[in-house]
Amino acid sequence: DAGVTQSPTHLIKTRGQQVTLRCSPKSGHDTVSWYQQALGQGPQFIFQYYEEEERQRGNFPDRFSGHQFPNYSSELNVNALLLGDSALYLCASSLDGGPVYNSPLHFGNGTRLTVT
Amino acid sequence: GENVEQHPSTLSVQEGDSAVIKCTYSDSASNYFPWYKQELGKRPQLIIDIRSNVGEKKDQRIAVTLNKTAKHFSLHITETQPEDSAVYFCAASAGYGQNFVFGPGTRLSVLP
Repeated sequence: DAGVTQSPTHLIKTRGQQVTLRCSPKSGHDTVSWYQQALGQGPQFIFQYYEEEERQRGNFPDRFSGHQFPNYSSELNVNALLLGDSALYLCASSLDGGPVYNSPLHFGNGTRLTVT
Repeated sequence: GENVEQHPSTLSVQEGDSAVIKCTYSDSASNYFPWYKQELGKRPQLIIDIRSNVGEKKDQRIAVTLNKTAKHFSLHITETQPEDSAVYFCAASAGYGQNFVFGPGTRLSVLP
C-alpha cells in the first residue's frame, strides 16, 4: 500500500519563475492538504482540497494555487517565485471524517524548493 | 485563529531518562491533537494523537495528556533511546476542513 508520494524531490528555480509540485495521496484517502515548512520551523498550512475544490486556505498569497484531480491527486502551483518561497513543501493526505471527526494527516517526503 | 505554542525548543536527555514536551493552544474549539516526529530529511510521522473527549492516551513508551480547561497538552516519552532523537511537532485541529496548526517544534537529543 503506497503512502503519499510527491514529485519532484528537489527543485531549483530562479526568482520570478513558476513551479508546479505534484502529490498522490495514500490509497483510500480523498483529501489533500499542502504545507510549507521553512528551515527550523513547523509546517504552515497553505490550503486543502476535497472533492476537487479548495475547501480551506491559510494565510498565503494568490501566487499559491492548486488543483485536485478526480483520482484525488493534487498539484501546487506557485507563480512569480520569491527568494522567501524557498522551503520544503509537504503534501498530506487524509480521509474526510465530516464536520466533527478529524483524521490524522499522512505526509509525503516533500519537495525541497530552492529559489535563487 | 488558532495559535499553538511549544516548549522547550530544544531538549537533551540521557538515554533511559524521560522527556516531556508541552504545547498550549488558543482555540477552545480545537478537539484533535496529534504529535508528529520528524527525523532529519524525512517526512513528519504521526506517533500518537488524542481527542478532546479523552484525558490521557498511552502507547508503549509514549503517552499524551490533555487538559482542556488549561488548553494544554503534553507528550511524555519514557526510557528514551538514541533513535528517539528527532524534532517533535504538536498540532491542533478544530474539525471540519482539518486545518492543522503546528507548533514550532522541539529538537530532542538523546545522549548515549
